Amino acid sequence: NAGVTQTPKFQVLKTGQSMTLQCAQDMNHEYMSWYRQDPGMGLRLIHYSVGAGITDQGEVPNGYNVSRSTTEDFPLRLLSAAPSQTSVYFCASSTRDRGGYEQYFGPGTRLTVT
Amino acid sequence: AQTVTQSQPEMSVQEAETVTLSCTYDTSESDYYLFWYKQPPSRQMILVIRQEAYKQQNATENRFSVNFQKAAKSFSLKISDSQLGDAAMYFCAYRSPFGNEKLTFGTGTRLTIIP
Repeated sequence: NAGVTQTPKFQVLKTGQSMTLQCAQDMNHEYMSWYRQDPGMGLRLIHYSVGAGITDQGEVPNGYNVSRSTTEDFPLRLLSAAPSQTSVYFCASSTRDRGGYEQYFGPGTRLTVT
Repeated sequence: AQTVTQSQPEMSVQEAETVTLSCTYDTSESDYYLFWYKQPPSRQMILVIRQEAYKQQNATENRFSVNFQKAAKSFSLKISDSQLGDAAMYFCAYRSPFGNEKLTFGTGTRLTIIP
């Protein structure tokens, strides 16, 4: 049971480039989310999904796309990277089965946009 | 919308002593969940302790305990017998019982342990 995995761990992009941050979980959780962490601001929700085929926007969605074709995977796409997207990105998953409500976090991806 | 406030950007404590980290929140909901997460230098977010608002009893996990004051909307974390491994950023987080599992985080408190 690997939990929540994220790739890559580190990435440097040039302004205008696109890329996809990968997230996968093997716990059969229905809920998955993407957060970004910036200094002095805690974690903020970018997008989330309540199940395969269902996604919605969080607090800071601009510049990011998501899709959820399977229960396990929830990739985050940066369409045209900007320096303001320099941040640490966390993927998380959770379930309400059996009364659960804890979110499990991946190890994070540090992204730098130059 | 809910907000979470951590008013102590940094705290320090002598090893083996006790320290309390503060958290206040604002919500109009009567039922919700509160969490403390620890983020060591490895960057991994680790759940320390959780509290359901409908439970009056304060949660405890080994050396970690909370003081949950629902009327005051306060949720402080007490770490007893502080250890060097407790050094980390600590985040308070709120979750509504409804909807999308979104966590609302505070800005964090950096805890330093003095040997």
